[in-house]
Order: sequence, then C-alpha cells, then structure tokens
Amino acid sequence: NAGVTQTPKFRVLKTGQSMTLLCAQDMNHEYMYWYRQDPGMGLRLIHYSVGEGTTAKGEVPDGYNVSRLKKQNFLLGLESAAPSQTSVYFCASSILAGGSETQYFGPGTRLLVL
Amino acid sequence: GQNIDQPTEMTATEGAIVQINCTYQTSGFNGLFWYQQHAGEAPTFLSYNVLDGLEEKGRFSSFLSRSKGYSYLLLKELQMKDSASYLCAVRDSNYQLIWGAGTKLIIKP
Repeated sequence: NAGVTQTPKFRVLKTGQSMTLLCAQDMNHEYMYWYRQDPGMGLRLIHYSVGEGTTAKGEVPDGYNVSRLKKQNFLLGLESAAPSQTSVYFCASSILAGGSETQYFGPGTRLLVL
Repeated sequence: GQNIDQPTEMTATEGAIVQINCTYQTSGFNGLFWYQQHAGEAPTFLSYNVLDGLEEKGRFSSFLSRSKGYSYLLLKELQMKDSASYLCAVRDSNYQLIWGAGTKLIIKP
C-alpha cells in the first residue's frame, strides 16, 4: 500500500497562475482533507470531503476549490495564485471522523507563489 | 474562538524524560490527538485520549484532564531520533481537528 500520495512535491508559481494539487489514497477511506501548514501556526483545514462526490469548506477555503469525483482522489485547485498561498499543503484521509480513527497524511506539497 | 496552546520549543538531553504540555479551549470535545512531525515530513499519529487519565504506549505516554482542558505528552528514554515537532490536536463538536502550532523538541547528546 502506498498510503496517501501527493503530486507534485514542489512547485513555483507566479501570481495569477492556476494549478491543481492531486491527492490519492489506496486505503479505501471515506474522509479526505486538505490542510495548509505555515510557520508558527497549526495545520489549518481548507476543504474536506466525507465521501465521493461531496465536498465542504473548512476554516480557510477562500481562493481554493476542490473536487472528489473518485473515492480515492481529492483535488485541490488554486484558480489565481497569490503570494499569501505560499505554504506547505498536506492531504490526509481517514476511515471515519470519530472515535480513535486517526488521519493519515501525505508527504506534502511545497508551493511558492512569487 | 477555538485555541490550542503548546510551548514553541523545548530542549532535552538524550536518555532523559520530557513532558510537552497542551492546553485547549474548543467548542466541544471529541478526543485529543498527539502527532509527531519530523522536519520536512508529514505528521504521524502517536496517541489518542478521549477519557481522563494516562495512556501508555512504549516510551510515549499521553495524559488528559477534560475538566482542566489540559493534556501532556511524556517521552521517556529520549533518543536523538525523537528530535521533531509534536502536534496537539483536539476534535471539536463538528468532528474537525483543531491543531496547535506544535512544539519543536531538540535533543542534545
């Protein structure tokens, strides 16, 4: 099992460019999440999905869109990148959202917006 | 608002014991998690507490007091590989994880 994978690992964008980050999991998990991690701050939830075809906003959704067309994939889109979106992006998945079910994280995507 | 507080950085000696504290104020409580994150890597799960008391797992233990909004992670017999950031996260009433900024633990020989 590869677990949770993310593509790409690193990207540099110019302000105004668009891109899509891909997250894939092979654990048959229902729940998937996109976080961003910035220095001195905790992980912040951007969007999440409770199953194929569903998405919901998290704490910091502005400037991002997501899609979950297949259960194993969760895509994060930046329509018009801004320097404030420079961050490390982590995707995570879990079987459920409750109990002791933990979230499993991908290796992260480092994004620099110039 | 929701808030998770942890010390920014701690230093300890190889072979010693260190306690990393976490205090929280959240809208509801459905469990507390500790994760370990090495520099440049993804967070990985360490422990879960939902009831008051101590959970022990090898060299790592985690304690919870719900009435005080307080938890700690205890690391014994420290090894150099324990140098990492330790993240405290609380699952709130919406079943979302609220994360602390993490505690960077530096182990010295």
